[in-house]
Amino acid sequence: ELKVEQNPLFLSMQEGKNYTIYCNYSTTSDRLYWYRQDPGKSLESLFVLLSNGAVKQEGRLMASLDTKARLSTLHITAAVHDLSATYFCAVDEVDFMKTSYDKVIFGPGTSLSVIP
Amino acid sequence: DVKVTQSSRYLVKRTGEKVFLECVQDMDHENMFWYRQDPGLGLRLIYFSYDVKMKEKGDIPEGYSVSREKKERFSLILESASTNQTSMYLCASTFMGPGQGAPGTGELFFGEGSRLTVL
Repeated sequence: ELKVEQNPLFLSMQEGKNYTIYCNYSTTSDRLYWYRQDPGKSLESLFVLLSNGAVKQEGRLMASLDTKARLSTLHITAAVHDLSATYFCAVDEVDFMKTSYDKVIFGPGTSLSVIP
Repeated sequence: DVKVTQSSRYLVKRTGEKVFLECVQDMDHENMFWYRQDPGLGLRLIYFSYDVKMKEKGDIPEGYSVSREKKERFSLILESASTNQTSMYLCASTFMGPGQGAPGTGELFFGEGSRLTVL
């Protein structure tokens, strides 16, 4: 069964600083997604990473995927307050034996707070 | 832009009532999902559907049922609401055509959520 872990679960950082959120998953998959959730709101898709070595950037956020290490990173550059949110990574779990259904497995989320 | 619309943002119901949560997507997506989100438990999949009139149980289907009579609409039904079903319910959809991946997977587009309180 695929498990997805995120590190750290809580992150408080100052504006202007850089930091990285890590997402590890336990079994083979080559599709990984990052989502953002603002307090009281729903989830918004940020990045879709579809192959080993994939890198995507949007503003101050950059995501990468290493399928061999089963690791994705979300790097924050020069953080600003508007980035305060919870960030989820999610991974496709495909049941090749077809004993169960295919689905998306979510990590627990990283709650990011950017302090002025 | 993909739009996933959930019929009610906030609902308050009494124990034993029947509850309908409606979800409509406007992008002709094949797959639709219902999750619930609770503090400390993350997102848990209740049911999903990969085609009209098709449904698959997720991780926590007990106490819920679903209906997909039309491609754009996926309804979650609580036959007899209980207090432990107080939660945020999130609907999502995704397109997964040939060569795009497995039926239950893909980039999810979420609705705004329905916060249900059962008294």
